[in-house]
Amino acid sequence: EPEVTQTPSHQVTQMGQEVILRCVPISNHLYFYWYRQILGQKVEFLVSFYNNEISEKSEIFDDQFSVERPDGSNFTLKIRSTKLEDSAMYFCASSDWDRGGEKLFFGSGTQLSVL
Amino acid sequence: RKEVEQDPGPFNVPEGATVAFNCTYSNSASQSFFWYRQDCRKEPKLLMSVYSSGNEDGRFTAQLNRASQYISLLIRDSKLSDSATYLCVVNSKTSTSGTYKYIFGTGTRLKVLA
Repeated sequence: EPEVTQTPSHQVTQMGQEVILRCVPISNHLYFYWYRQILGQKVEFLVSFYNNEISEKSEIFDDQFSVERPDGSNFTLKIRSTKLEDSAMYFCASSDWDRGGEKLFFGSGTQLSVL
Repeated sequence: RKEVEQDPGPFNVPEGATVAFNCTYSNSASQSFFWYRQDCRKEPKLLMSVYSSGNEDGRFTAQLNRASQYISLLIRDSKLSDSATYLCVVNSKTSTSGTYKYIFGTGTRLKVLA
């Protein structure tokens, strides 16, 4: 069964460093997303991406964040100058449509720890 | 009012019990509704979509009441393996770009006891 893959599974970085989180969405999906989940809190929307551009972003997704689809398969989230509060699990997702509407499928996440 | 609201629980139930979770949402224009399951420190996994007519998948039944902006999930004959957090997810059209956005509830923790 096709799945969304994310690398790395864990990333430890120093405050102020840049990190790039990588995702390979399911191949025939057209909409891509990044979500994050701080430990013990709810899953929060960061950004959606369609047709090679951002379609929606949350207030969390400020200038510190950027997304890119550098080729036909990868979808990346870059966090510049990481802060302690960026520590969270970051989930990539892609979506498909059927009679129930659009459905999200998640990758297994990247646990980011900012020290 | 929160966009998607759930009782965080935990719900501790014995094996074999029937348990029900509720969820309310604030945006009356929301289009699609889902229940996801999340195990500890894992990704959310789609459990089932929720249709206006109600739908059933084995031991799981989901219902939607658009008038009350309310979604429910019923689990019959609970198994130990049902222990997880159940996330209510609503797909709503955004006011800015007109695209859709998934909003997650905080989740309801279920623990099924032997």
